[in-house]
Amino acid sequence: EVQLVESGGGLVKPGGSLRLSCAASGFTFSNAWMSWVRQAPGKGLEWVGRIKSKTDGGTTDYAAPVKGRFTISRDDSKNTLYLQMNSLKTEDTAVYYCTTSGIWGQGTRVTASS
Amino acid sequence: SYELTQPPSVSVSPGQTARITCSGDALPKQNAYWYQQKPGQAPVLVIYKDTERPSGIPERFSGSSSGTTVTLTISGVQAEDEADYYCQSADSSGTWVFGGGTKLTVL
Repeated sequence: EVQLVESGGGLVKPGGSLRLSCAASGFTFSNAWMSWVRQAPGKGLEWVGRIKSKTDGGTTDYAAPVKGRFTISRDDSKNTLYLQMNSLKTEDTAVYYCTTSGIWGQGTRVTASS
Repeated sequence: SYELTQPPSVSVSPGQTARITCSGDALPKQNAYWYQQKPGQAPVLVIYKDTERPSGIPERFSGSSSGTTVTLTISGVQAEDEADYYCQSADSSGTWVFGGGTKLTVL
């Protein structure tokens, strides 16, 4: 079964850090371009960033609001995608989804609040 | 920055046809994707590459494209189709962009 499972969300104080993980199964993870998308409470979907497959260079791109604070990485040996979030702001509060080729995880909730 | 524009809401009666539009300058050059999202659930892909329907998606869902506008059409709307719908495409650098979402209400 094709599946993405996010983990690592939680409550963090503004200025703090958090690392999210996304475990993939049921498809060839190493060939996939992986993205993170978030959804703030009551709001729409917002693209966070993407990492290409190593075959295609393994490069990353980020949305303007997170550039310089968030880092996407991957471990193809573990079929796992990561999102390192630093200098968190209250406006980063959202459900974070990993996605590729129409497959979405169930999301993990991040709350940045004092 | 590049934007995709959707109507905030669309309402139809059961059995009627719902059409949700998405406008953006790059749509003639970039593929569009449509997602359905029900409360508390992850998005589900219902249309990809403007007009293609993934396996498992009912045939009443279809997509079309004309110039700078793409349209999601749901024929014979059912109560279970009530949800938020988002279009998604990319700008010239490959950065994803989402429309603001359309709430479909089945009266």
